[in-house]
Amino acid sequence: EVQLVESGGGLVQPGRSLRLSCAASGFTFDDYAMHWVRQAPGKGLEWVSGISWNSGSIGYADSVKGRFTISRDNAKNSLYLQMNSLRAEDTALYYCAKGPRGSCYPYYFDYWGQGTLVTVSS
Amino acid sequence: DIQMTQSPSSLSASVGDRVTITCQASQDISNYLNWYQQKPGKAPKLLIYDASNLETGVPSRFSGSGSGTDFTFTISSLQPEDIATYYCQQYDNLPPGFGGGTKVEIK
Repeated sequence: EVQLVESGGGLVQPGRSLRLSCAASGFTFDDYAMHWVRQAPGKGLEWVSGISWNSGSIGYADSVKGRFTISRDNAKNSLYLQMNSLRAEDTALYYCAKGPRGSCYPYYFDYWGQGTLVTVSS
Repeated sequence: DIQMTQSPSSLSASVGDRVTITCQASQDISNYLNWYQQKPGKAPKLLIYDASNLETGVPSRFSGSGSGTDFTFTISSLQPEDIATYYCQQYDNLPPGFGGGTKVEIK
């Protein structure tokens, strides 16, 4: 059974940093692209970033480009999101999601974790 | 960015009813369109990919159709467990974008 378990969320002041983690199990992690998708409270879904199986292809939404960095450690079956210069508008539930292939394309998400909440507030 | 417009934003229907949700893209996206179900307090779940392909394990009462700019998602016979918000998502162009969602309730 595919399991994705996010951690690392919390309350952080504007301008500060936070690192999210996603522990994957139940599938061959290094065969698949992985993504972060977020959902602001009471709002819709927004793709944040994606990374291919070998980290050779990485993409970001314009809203986070230059501030967030996605990475993965295939030896640890883990996905990460380093979030710097956080803003109030980054407040959201952050989901880790698995892609259907090793490349980021096609950009859809066949399994999702339960999310970790990031709140940016002073 | 490609804009995805879903309608209606919410609907109320009776158990057993046929429910239809539409999604319109701001430009041609071929069949690069997916549908997700998000139950209250839960993560989204992929139901349909590439406009009309049912994800493994998804009940056959769910279906999707369309290509180009206009897409339809249908629940052939609404069940109580289908109460959720449904999202369309395009991946023809980056960034992959979602529609605003359709909240489905039982009348």
